[in-house]
Amino acid sequence: DAKTTQPPSMDCAEGRAANLPCNHSTISGNEYVYWYRQIHSQGPQYIIHGLKNNETNEMASLIITEDRKSSTLILPHATLRDTAVYYCIVRASSRNSGGSNYKLTFGKGTLLTVNP
Amino acid sequence: DSGVTQTPKHLITATGQRVTLRCSPRSGDLSVYWYQQSLDQGLQFLIQYYNGEERAKGNILERFSAQQFPDLHSELNLSSLELGDSALYFCASSVEATRLGGYTFGSGTRLTVV
Repeated sequence: DAKTTQPPSMDCAEGRAANLPCNHSTISGNEYVYWYRQIHSQGPQYIIHGLKNNETNEMASLIITEDRKSSTLILPHATLRDTAVYYCIVRASSRNSGGSNYKLTFGKGTLLTVNP
Repeated sequence: DSGVTQTPKHLITATGQRVTLRCSPRSGDLSVYWYQQSLDQGLQFLIQYYNGEERAKGNILERFSAQQFPDLHSELNLSSLELGDSALYFCASSVEATRLGGYTFGSGTRLTVV
């Protein structure tokens, strides 16, 4: 799976958009970009994923550059409850005989602190 | 409630002991993943089971073992415990039929070895 690079920390004012960047310059054509977040000591929470098109759901938007070497997770109106570590992960499924392997490899992520 | 149930939530035990952590996946999910999160190592993948069979292995120590039962719940067994095994242990489950969607994580078991 491709390696990702994220800033270790970011700050954002409450109510403003939070834009979290991720570089994945070695991503290959069949690898998806996934974003998870982990609020202190809780289980990681899936946010969004995409292959090459921009994606939006009720939590966030994912913008993937045309060359797919980087992406940005956008939280449109950050709240204090969005303070968490955000992980950008790229991975493809590798199919073993009779099954599949979807393990995720977490890096260090970005600690987003939303300030009042 | 994510739908993935982990028990117990907290566990305190002595060095050298053996413990079993339990995970019930979300209804309909066939795959279970175990992760360890300690302060200095971040989230480390341990092992994956799919429909009762081991599918992938990560940085799992020989003192640790896991299995997935016919009802799809999984257990992670940790033996000869050391102080360094103190960590949060997360279980996640996923639907294997499609690439879409992500994992669903449980709330974890906090293991403290004293």
